[in-house]
Amino acid sequence: EPEVTQTPSHQVTQMGQEVILRCVPISNHLYFYWYRQILGQKVEFLVSFYNNEISEKSEIFDDQFSVERPDGSNFTLKIRSTKLEDSAMYFCASSVTAGVYNEQFFGPGTRLTVL
Amino acid sequence: ELKVEQNPLFLSMQEGKNYTIYCNYSTTSDRLYWYRQDPGKSLESLFVLLSNGAVKQEGRLMASLDTKARLSTLHITAAVHDLSATYFCAVDVSIQGAQKLVFGQGTRLTINP
Repeated sequence: EPEVTQTPSHQVTQMGQEVILRCVPISNHLYFYWYRQILGQKVEFLVSFYNNEISEKSEIFDDQFSVERPDGSNFTLKIRSTKLEDSAMYFCASSVTAGVYNEQFFGPGTRLTVL
Repeated sequence: ELKVEQNPLFLSMQEGKNYTIYCNYSTTSDRLYWYRQDPGKSLESLFVLLSNGAVKQEGRLMASLDTKARLSTLHITAAVHDLSATYFCAVDVSIQGAQKLVFGQGTRLTINP
């Protein structure tokens, strides 16, 4: 069964460093998303992406964040200068369409630890 | 500001009992999703509710949606230990284009033998 994959599973970085989180969405999906979950808290929407453009972004997704689909399979989230409060689990998701029936499928997540 | 509130946030129950988790939301939407999350794991889709009055059942779980009351419920029948997990509801608030899900805080369910 097709699934969303993410790498790495765990990333440890120093404050101020850049990180890139990678995702491979399900192959026939057209819409891509990033969410984050701070430990023990709810899942928060960061950004949605379609047709090589950001569709919507949340207040969390400031200038330190960017997304890219560098090729036909990968979807990346870059954090330019990490802060301690960026420590969280980051989930990538994808969906086939944005129509009425639009189920998002989530990847296993990348745990980001900023020291 | 959109609010999605789950109740209760923590639930400890015995095997064999029935219980209901509630999800209230503050905006008009007729698309609501339920997810399950095991510790340290990703989100597993349980139910997709796309209209007022929608009811879906899978095994011991049943979900319903009342868009007029802005309420969804997840009912657990004759709970078993394997259902121990955190359950999230999520409301789709997108107007057009890509979907945007707003999640509730999650209900951590522990089922004791």
